[in-house]
Amino acid sequence: GAVVSQHPSRVICKSGTSVKIECRSLDFQATTMFWYRQFPKQSLMLMATSNEGSKATYEQGVEKDKFLINHASLTLSTLTVTSAHPEDSSFYICSARRGAPNTGELFFGEGSRLTVL
Amino acid sequence: GEDVEQSLFLSVREGDSSVINCTYTDSSSTYLYWYKQEPGAGLQLLTYIFSNMDMKQDQRLTVLLNKKDKHLSLRIADTQTGDSAIYFCAESINNNDMRFGAGTRLTVKP
Repeated sequence: GAVVSQHPSRVICKSGTSVKIECRSLDFQATTMFWYRQFPKQSLMLMATSNEGSKATYEQGVEKDKFLINHASLTLSTLTVTSAHPEDSSFYICSARRGAPNTGELFFGEGSRLTVL
Repeated sequence: GEDVEQSLFLSVREGDSSVINCTYTDSSSTYLYWYKQEPGAGLQLLTYIFSNMDMKQDQRLTVLLNKKDKHLSLRIADTQTGDSAIYFCAESINNNDMRFGAGTRLTVKP
């Protein structure tokens, strides 16, 4: 089956540094990838939709300059948390759509847990 | 408040049935999903149901939808220890903008 892989699965960083999380579709090309974050005991919240070759579409309330998304190829999207602060500590999950928009199935990565000290 | 709500924990004995419940608020939702997340793995689509359906059965899984009450449930018959995982309920209008619940952690005791 399709596999989506995230790296790193866990990262700890100091406040003020930037952290990059990668999301790769390993056996299919994904024109669209999605980034979510989840706080403990809360819903998985969509942050942004990443489109290959164009700018990401951010959800309301998500800072574009804080969470930089790059979808440079059909198999890779990256999320960079810039100048990280403790409140950015969260679980970040990506997903990639295989197939046509609106009909293709979503495949999810394993998630990346970010802890900012 | 949350768009999609589900209880955080459920514990059952092996062999019993598990019922995981979910409520949602958007009456325009056309797709309703159940995802399963095992430790260290990504969310996997278990099953989904269109809003014009009341029930969908797939082997040990039964999905019930009460559109009037905006209530979705997932029943797992003959629950096994391998069913222990986090189950996410999600809904969308167009299979694009999905809204997830917080996930229900199912623990199956031998």
